[in-house]
Amino acid sequence: SQKIEQNSEALNIQEGKTATLTCNYTNYSPAYLQWYRQDPGRGPVFLLLIRENEKEKRKERLKVTFDTTLKQSLFHITASQPADSATYLCALENKAGGTSYGKLTFGQGTILTVHP
Amino acid sequence: EPEVTQTPSHQVTQMGQEVILRCVPISNHLYFYWYRQILGQKVEFLVSFYNNEISEKSEIFDDQFSVERPDGSNFTLKIRSTKLEDSAMYFCASRKDIYYEQYFGPGTRLTVT
Repeated sequence: SQKIEQNSEALNIQEGKTATLTCNYTNYSPAYLQWYRQDPGRGPVFLLLIRENEKEKRKERLKVTFDTTLKQSLFHITASQPADSATYLCALENKAGGTSYGKLTFGQGTILTVHP
Repeated sequence: EPEVTQTPSHQVTQMGQEVILRCVPISNHLYFYWYRQILGQKVEFLVSFYNNEISEKSEIFDDQFSVERPDGSNFTLKIRSTKLEDSAMYFCASRKDIYYEQYFGPGTRLTVT
């Protein structure tokens, strides 16, 4: 069966450290993978998108890697701040089966808490 | 910066009533979506809409649900006869083109009593 798993429900780190979040998937052939931030009671906010032919992408303090052999994406926040505390979601669009219209399948999320 | 907007932010309705949730996607986007998130659960896909028709829908999106883009700017989700289990946050999303990122609205919290 198809699965997307973010293997930590919660991650607690000290301010200034690097947070690393993991997203693993099985039985998908993703065209790309996206990472979102979600605050309580709010909609997901787009952070980064990485395509199947890309290994790494960066944006300011954020870095995403994508390993289609391991079927895994890692999401890093460097120099973390208390304001980075939120739930982080990975989502992928499966390219298998022909034309894709953008259906995203989400992981359950990792709650990140950055302590001052 | 353009953003997806949704109204109302919170809707309370009685079981069996019809509700319409409204969204204004980003203006030059071509693909539109509805997702929902039951409290404490994953974000789930409901339906995608492209070129004025449904392009894909999930098992959740049964005959009680419908979508419409009535005027070129609004995108609506109608639930004909709400059930208790329809209580959730409903998110609208849009994207510019195929294989681009999706931008989500702030959501409508639907409470069915």
